Amino acid sequence: DAKTTQPTSMDCAEGRAANLPCNHSTISGNEYVYWYRQIHSQGPQYIIHGLKNNETNEMASLIITEDRKSSTLILPHATLRDTAVYYCIVRARSSGDKLTFGTGTRLAVRP
Amino acid sequence: EPEVTQTPSHQVTQMGQEVILRCVPISNHLYFYWYRQILGQKVEFLVSFYNNEISEKSEIFDDQFSVERPDGSNFTLKIRSTKLEDSAMYFCASRENINSPLHFGNGTRLTVT
Repeated sequence: DAKTTQPTSMDCAEGRAANLPCNHSTISGNEYVYWYRQIHSQGPQYIIHGLKNNETNEMASLIITEDRKSSTLILPHATLRDTAVYYCIVRARSSGDKLTFGTGTRLAVRP
Repeated sequence: EPEVTQTPSHQVTQMGQEVILRCVPISNHLYFYWYRQILGQKVEFLVSFYNNEISEKSEIFDDQFSVERPDGSNFTLKIRSTKLEDSAMYFCASRENINSPLHFGNGTRLTVT
């Protein structure tokens, strides 16, 4: 699976959009981009995933660049409960079961 | 919304003792997993389980570890003889099919003294 690079930490103000970047310059054509988050002391929580088109669900939007070498997770109106570590994971569906977690981005939402 | 549930939330055991961590995956899910997270470190894959057998395991998952689905609802992780370095959060996860996202439980904190 391709390696990803994320900033170690970010912050944003409550009510504003949080934009979390991820670089995956070695991504291959059959690899999906997955986002999970881990709120303190809880298990990882699935947020969204995509292949090449932008995706949106009730939690977030995922913007993938045309060359697929990077993506951005957008939380449109961040709340204090969005404070968490956010993981960007690239995985081919054919590459076996496991997800490989990196160190992620620690997002702090300020009141 | 259905959840993966894990019991106990916290388990304290003495070094050398056997411990069983229990999980109830989401009911229509077919793929089951254990991950662990040592304090301050990354979430690490341990093992995946499908169709009543292990489909993949990591180097961490040595002979001291075993998994079982003893009935239609439970999925367990056994550590035969615990070591101090087994202290960690252990997360169970499940998914409906190979293409769907993983759903994680909130973990069991294992403390080996």
